[in-house]
Amino acid sequence: GAVVSQHPSWVICKSGTSVKIECRSLDFQATTMFWYRQFPKQSLMLMATSNEGSKATYEQGVEKDKFLINHASLTLSTLTVTSAHPEDSSFYICSARDSTGANYGYTFGSGTRLTVV
Amino acid sequence: KNEVEQSPQNLTAQEGEFITINCSYSVGISALHWLQQHPGGGIVSLFMLSSGKKKHGRLIATINIQEKHSSLHITASHPRDSAVYICAVSNYGGSQGNLIFGKGTKLSVKP
Repeated sequence: GAVVSQHPSWVICKSGTSVKIECRSLDFQATTMFWYRQFPKQSLMLMATSNEGSKATYEQGVEKDKFLINHASLTLSTLTVTSAHPEDSSFYICSARDSTGANYGYTFGSGTRLTVV
Repeated sequence: KNEVEQSPQNLTAQEGEFITINCSYSVGISALHWLQQHPGGGIVSLFMLSSGKKKHGRLIATINIQEKHSSLHITASHPRDSAVYICAVSNYGGSQGNLIFGKGTKLSVKP
């Protein structure tokens, strides 16, 4: 079945540094990738939608200069948290929609737990 | 009111019990998804359905489009079923097919 590989699974970084999170679709073409963050005991919150080869669409309240998204190929999308602050500590997860498949299913990455100290 | 409502919020069951989690939605949808999130955070897609009923092992998902309601059933529950179950709907007329999530049901199955 469809697999999305997300790395790293966890990362600890210092305030002010940048962290890059990668999501790769391993056996299908992900023309659309969704990036979510999740705070403890809360539901997933959409941050942005990225389409291959074009600029990402950010949800209201999400700073596009802070959360840089690049979707340069049909199998790779990256989220870079720039100048990270402790309040950016969260669980980040991507999902990809297989637009070439019959069912337009969603496949999720395994998530990245970011801790900013 | 949330667009996707789940109940119950928390559920504790004894091993072997039959479990039902409910989901109601208030928007037009293309499909409804049931997802499973384990304590580590990873999410697995269990079902995507737009009508009727689907079965996979001990899991059964049903949807009633007219009533805008879906249920996820787990038969012969097992401690390894303990997870958060999330109902989500997709509306392809919306934000490029983004999912709208319920708040999840935390299931704990005791041995």
